[in-house]
Amino acid sequence: DAGITQSPRHKVTETGTPVTLRCHQTENHRYMYWYRQDPGHGLRLIHYSYGVKDTDKGEVSDGYSVSRSKTEDFLLTLESATSSQTSVYFCATRDSWGEQFFGPGTRLTVL
Amino acid sequence: QKEVEQNSGPLSVPEGAIASLNCTYSDRGSQSFFWYRQYSGKSPELIMSIYSNGDKEDGRFTAQLNKASQYVSLLIRDSQPSDSATYLCAVNRGNYGQNFVFGPGTRLSVLP
Repeated sequence: DAGITQSPRHKVTETGTPVTLRCHQTENHRYMYWYRQDPGHGLRLIHYSYGVKDTDKGEVSDGYSVSRSKTEDFLLTLESATSSQTSVYFCATRDSWGEQFFGPGTRLTVL
Repeated sequence: QKEVEQNSGPLSVPEGAIASLNCTYSDRGSQSFFWYRQYSGKSPELIMSIYSNGDKEDGRFTAQLNKASQYVSLLIRDSQPSDSATYLCAVNRGNYGQNFVFGPGTRLSVLP
């Protein structure tokens, strides 16, 4: 398994506050991804990165921003959290075969 | 038409039986195909990858790919209660970052 950690694992916050989720990998994979998973919607891509400082939008990027200053770290920021962003967030990396490996997830609740 | 489709289930099979999970995809240019298992409250775990037509076996799991029919399946032999989970089909349409598409998943229940 790819060494992927996410922090925090659980977070409760209030509407309007900024939130940053962190993903850290030890596999030196070039590609990294942020997904959210909601009942009835499955896994949806928020943003992805194809290298340091190289990022692009996914299917549901509104209200989210990302940064990647080092190969091993990929940050997801909710500038002003809303209740619709209550979800489980997964980070993933991709190896040279195209296989994606997931971190343990962060459960975010926005009150 | 959704890009990757799966029956949502639940699919119930008795312990020891063969569970058959199916997935269809719409993009004929898709290049590689993956099956993930996700236990409730956990993250998806890669269990099989398949890149060419035919069968690929790994222990009790067999993935089958038919690109002409745009169909990929996963067979689980000698199903165990511990196989009860949601199984996600994923398709990689190319080498670019956002070309990895997941299906909605099929919930499998293996009854003791």
